[in-house]
Amino acid sequence: EIVLTQSPGTLSLSPGERATLSCRASQSISSNYLAWYQQKLGQAPRLLVSGASRRATGIPDRFSGSGSGTDFTLTISRLEPEDFAVYYCHQYGSSPPTFGGGTKVEI
Amino acid sequence: QVQLQESGPGLVKPSQTLSLTCTVSGASISSGSYYWTWIRQPAGKGLEWIGRAYSGGSTNYNPSLKSRVTISVDTSKNQLSLKLSSVTAADTAVYYCARTFSSSSPFFNVWGQGTLVTVSS
Repeated sequence: EIVLTQSPGTLSLSPGERATLSCRASQSISSNYLAWYQQKLGQAPRLLVSGASRRATGIPDRFSGSGSGTDFTLTISRLEPEDFAVYYCHQYGSSPPTFGGGTKVEI
Repeated sequence: QVQLQESGPGLVKPSQTLSLTCTVSGASISSGSYYWTWIRQPAGKGLEWIGRAYSGGSTNYNPSLKSRVTISVDTSKNQLSLKLSSVTAADTAVYYCARTFSSSSPFFNVWGQGTLVTVSS
């Protein structure tokens, strides 16, 4: 199975700052089938990005995804207070689908 | 709009079988080309894909759980079910049902709220 390694584990930033989250895969992800989710405490994950760079409906444009092959990035251009959460990457190009361990973005 | 709601016992004894149901509203579980999926998350940890059922009825399971998992669809009740046998404390988690965007783009765009299952005597 494809192992996804997210870094850093925790990102300590302030509102207005830029956040750069990394997701590295143990092998190339076919067709850039890589998604990002945001999860707040006590809630289900929420889809942010699919296909490595396609924002989901209703997601603000301060969220952007990039990358290909084995290296992917989620960037939050200017952190808003509601963006402090845990972020997971997910590959859905190979079975079984797998998730990264998450990056916590904290104040 | 599609909504998913998990339900089932919150406490299961070790060695017993965990049984959960996901009730689908706003869509028919048997139409379209979607994967109806179970995912779990131990407290403070990451997400683990358990398995899925296709709208047409076929299933796929995580190899790490395959020997203990059964996922099925009840079209008459518009429900997805999960059975996990021989549970241990390591199976304690929040269990989510989720639906993929499509069968060809199987990322998860619809999630239930999740249900906590604790395995303890």
